Amino acid sequence: SQQGEEDPQALSIQEGENATMNCSYKTSINNLQWYRQNSGRGLVHLILIRSNEREKHSGRLRVTLDTSKKSSSLLITASRAADTASYFCATAPSQGGSEKLVFGKGTKLTVNP
Amino acid sequence: NAGVTQTPKFQVLKTGQSMTLQCAQDMNHEYMSWYRQDPGMGLRLIHYSVGAGITDQGEVPNGYNVSRSTTEDFPLRLLSAAPSQTSVYFCASRLQGSTDTQYFGPGTRLTVL
Repeated sequence: SQQGEEDPQALSIQEGENATMNCSYKTSINNLQWYRQNSGRGLVHLILIRSNEREKHSGRLRVTLDTSKKSSSLLITASRAADTASYFCATAPSQGGSEKLVFGKGTKLTVNP
Repeated sequence: NAGVTQTPKFQVLKTGQSMTLQCAQDMNHEYMSWYRQDPGMGLRLIHYSVGAGITDQGEVPNGYNVSRSTTEDFPLRLLSAAPSQTSVYFCASRLQGSTDTQYFGPGTRLTVL
């Protein structure tokens, strides 16, 4: 069964605005990863945060992790039309490793020019 | 490097036919995985391999076989295709001891009539 659940399912914003997506999960994790998928393409890794980390930055991306609430958020600042894609969180369970990533259903982000 | 390659890009099968989806990577990654993605869903793990000669089942293995005779190749075999196997299939690989980042292929869109 899928562990990660993203919220919202769909998000539409204007260029320049910030986009926030949330992910909740159920069991203990080793790390949590965010991936982007452009329409009809494969997934591209964006950022990984380990269970002992609370916040991580990469360019315009900011990820937070709250293991007590079993939740994570992905913030994209100053969004661009090129950020239009689906975003998935994936959890690496404490038992099993990252070869058994469990993906959520994704948030579909539309950035309007 | 070509990264992770998958063939074919598209395939239409009739119920009961068999076929093999090909996956290859040229990054010398030990770990390789197969996922399926259904509409509105995240990715679900079918089978994975932690090295040549070693394979294991994921979340949805029924109806699929895999083998890993070389580090580079990880084919996925559908023994007797069913309409429920209509999906987009993604292959991914990861380097052991890396930052857990998985690299995905472009996908194979399979339709079973």
